[in-house]
Amino acid sequence: NAGVTQTPKFRVLKTGQSMTLLCAQDMNHEYMYWYRQDPGMGLRLIHYSVGEGTTAKGEVPDGYNVSRLKKQNFLLGLESAAPSQTSVYFCASSYTRAGGQDTGELFFGEGSRLTVL
Amino acid sequence: QKEVEQDPGPLSVPEGAIVSLNCTYSNSAFQYFMWYRQYSRKGPELLMYTYSSGNKEDGRFTAQVDKSSKYISLFIRDSQPSDSATYLCAQPTGGGYQKVTFGTGTKLQVIP
Repeated sequence: NAGVTQTPKFRVLKTGQSMTLLCAQDMNHEYMYWYRQDPGMGLRLIHYSVGEGTTAKGEVPDGYNVSRLKKQNFLLGLESAAPSQTSVYFCASSYTRAGGQDTGELFFGEGSRLTVL
Repeated sequence: QKEVEQDPGPLSVPEGAIVSLNCTYSNSAFQYFMWYRQYSRKGPELLMYTYSSGNKEDGRFTAQVDKSSKYISLFIRDSQPSDSATYLCAQPTGGGYQKVTFGTGTKLQVIP
């Protein structure tokens, strides 16, 4: 059972380049999230989706775009990478919202480490 | 002000010690809290969740919420080297509580 799979796991970009991070989940979850994790800042929500075809902004959305064309996939795009976007990116999914009918447990991928030079 | 604030640590304790990890929260509207554990270079995993005030126990772990002081605590009894990880508290936030906001995490090292 794969759970949440993120690709690529590592990437080095030059300032101004673009890239897309792919998140795939095989648990038929409705909710999907993209977080970034930086030292001293914890996990910060970039964008999230509550179902296929929907997206919403989180805490730090600037410089990122997302799409959820298929229920199982959630893509995070960087159109013009900046050094401030050097981070570890985590995708997560859940069956329902936290504290709802079930625990709303978030299942995380193993992270994608991005360096922007 | 962040909705969930957490002691940054790091915290280093000897094996067998009782560990206390703490968070404060600002949004009292939805009394549901979670603790996630994150091992180095891995994604976080749900450790415990709890509703409203009181204690919830699961093996060596106890989660406690104090509504009056808006304090969330995680206690680890008989700590083991395998407990060495970063612990993050979390709370549902936003319209419809569709988002989950995390504290910054406390890094714990249990020394054999």
